[in-house]
This record gives sequence, C-alpha cells and structure tokens, in this order.
Amino acid sequence: AQKVTQAQTEISVVEKEDVTLDCVYETRDTTYYLFWYKQPPSGELVFLIRRNSFDEQNEISGRYSWNFQKSTSSFNFTITASQVVDSAVYFCALSCSRVHTPLSPMDSSYKLIFGSGTRLLVRP
Amino acid sequence: SQTIHQWPATLVQPVGSPLSLECTVEGTSNPNLYWYRQAAGRGLQLLFYSVGIGQISSEVPQNLSASRPQDRQFILSSKKLLLSDSGFYLCAWSAIGDAAFFGQGTRLTVV
Repeated sequence: AQKVTQAQTEISVVEKEDVTLDCVYETRDTTYYLFWYKQPPSGELVFLIRRNSFDEQNEISGRYSWNFQKSTSSFNFTITASQVVDSAVYFCALSCSRVHTPLSPMDSSYKLIFGSGTRLLVRP
Repeated sequence: SQTIHQWPATLVQPVGSPLSLECTVEGTSNPNLYWYRQAAGRGLQLLFYSVGIGQISSEVPQNLSASRPQDRQFILSSKKLLLSDSGFYLCAWSAIGDAAFFGQGTRLTVV
C-alpha cells in the first residue's frame, strides 16, 4: 500500500529562520514519483517539485531545497531564510508509475496520494 | 499549454439537493483525472480517479459519484447532499508519473 506521512501538523518560525518540513513515504514499487505542493490561504494547490525514484540528487531552487533519501524513504523540504509569504500549508505526495495494460485497467498505482499537510506560519 | 477549469467556485446547497461539479482540461489528451476533497483545516482526501473515459475508481464509499463522459471532462455528482459533504473540492489532472495540476477548487457548503 502507498502512504505518505507528514508528522509535523504545524510549524511556527520567525522570519529569516530556516525550516525543514518532513515527509516519509511507503511504497512497494521501485518506480515512483514524489511531489511537494504549496497551498496558500487562497486555497489553490501550487506545484513545487517532482522527483522520480531513480534520481536521488538533492535539488535547490532559490530559497527552497529538497533532500531525497531512499534509504530512509524520506523527501524533506527546507526553506532557507523564511519569509512571511511562505506561510501556507505544504503537502507531500506520492505517485507510482506503471504501464497501463488491458488486464489491469484500474491499477491502483495511478493514484496520487497526499500526506496530511504541514501548516507553516512565518511570523514577522 | 494545458489548463484546467473547475466550476463553480463557491456553492451553497440545501441538504437533500443534488450536486454536479464539472471539471474540464484543455491542451492534453488522455489525462489521469482526480477529484479530491479537503475538509476545513484538513488534508486532501482522494475521492475518485480515472485513467480513461468511463473508467472510474472510487476510493471512499460515500454519498458521491463521478463520471467521465468525455476524455477531458470529469464530473462529480450527488443525488442527495448531506451536511458532511461540505468541503473544498479540487479537480486535478496529470500525465502518468507527472505532477498533478489542480483547478481552483469549489467551496461547497451544505446547509
């Protein structure tokens, strides 16, 4: 079964602090994808990053960085020098990739499963 | 480029009334389509997903149903709404293994 766990329900930091959001996943598939999304107060979900299971290189994009470790099934997200505008709910998600075949038209691996989210509050 | 449209943005419906939320995708073919629900202050619950026309998988037994009458159209329905159906409903599309891209959501309040 696939599962995504975000143990941190809510995190509060002061502006300019670094903050790491944890994500632990479970899957039996060898090919899978991991994602992070941001949900600001407006409600829409904003895609941040996608990682496939064969690429464990860490990635940095401006103040955002992601640490993917297959050995611990974790895909953590760090915001450096946080800003008030970073305040939002952040979701980690998992999707497994399998070829669609006539014998298994509704293979469960097409599901995109989300963690319960971490609410980040950055105080000025 | 691909776009996803979801409407209406907000909806207030009485208990026992029917529901129809529509989602359409443009700029791609044969997308995976999803309906999620988010209760206030909670995470995203996958309700339905579809890999093709007429192919719907239900994740949670409930008062809702979904249909995919066309390749890029996904409809969420209910014959009789319950108070517990209130929430924020999000439609999304993805290619296999790719990121899901979301509509702007429908905030449903059942009164």
